[in-house]
Amino acid sequence: GQNIDQPTEMTATEGAIVQINCTYQTSGFNGLFWYQQHAGEAPTFLSYNVLDGLEEKGRFSSFLSRSKGYSYLLLKELQMKDSASYLCAGMDSNYQLIWGAGTKLIIKP
Amino acid sequence: ETGVTQTPRHLVMGMTNKKSLKCEQHLGHNAMYWYKQSAKKPLELMFVYNFKEQTENNSVPSRFSPECPNSSHLFLHLHTLQPEDSALYLCASSLRTSGEPGELFFGEGSRLTVL
Repeated sequence: GQNIDQPTEMTATEGAIVQINCTYQTSGFNGLFWYQQHAGEAPTFLSYNVLDGLEEKGRFSSFLSRSKGYSYLLLKELQMKDSASYLCAGMDSNYQLIWGAGTKLIIKP
Repeated sequence: ETGVTQTPRHLVMGMTNKKSLKCEQHLGHNAMYWYKQSAKKPLELMFVYNFKEQTENNSVPSRFSPECPNSSHLFLHLHTLQPEDSALYLCASSLRTSGEPGELFFGEGSRLTVL
């Protein structure tokens, strides 16, 4: 079956760095997405990786290893506003999105 | 503001009621989606419309009935729901090319409570 695994909850300190991991098992693979969802708000797109390596966008970076079925989202210089849920979604060979249950990130002062 | 607007934001209904959720996108996208989001569970895709034509129905019970009159509007008609249908219902749109969904733009959701 197809599956996305990510931690349920993580806690980090303001100003620090946190890495949110995601492992995927999909029937074929056409890329991996990360979305951010603040409580009571719409999920918003953060990144899309289809090739191995690190993609950097300001304080946020996303990494993909296709051979390991693994991705991570790296958040640097954490701010209180980064408290949110982070959703990982893999896209299979039929372009279906397989979603993880999300990682709730709590930032403490 | 994501360009996708959902109404109502909150809805409480009894099991015998009939209600509808509405979604509108102002992004010129060709595809629209209904997702169900329950606490601590992955997003569940319910329906996909591409240029007003339904392309996916993921074994959703018939008490949920979608309607897509044009590429900008999407409805979810609800009737005789069960308490386990209580959840956040998210609408999304995207520029879908060659079957690939692309980046999804979500609305803020309609929080449904079934008593």
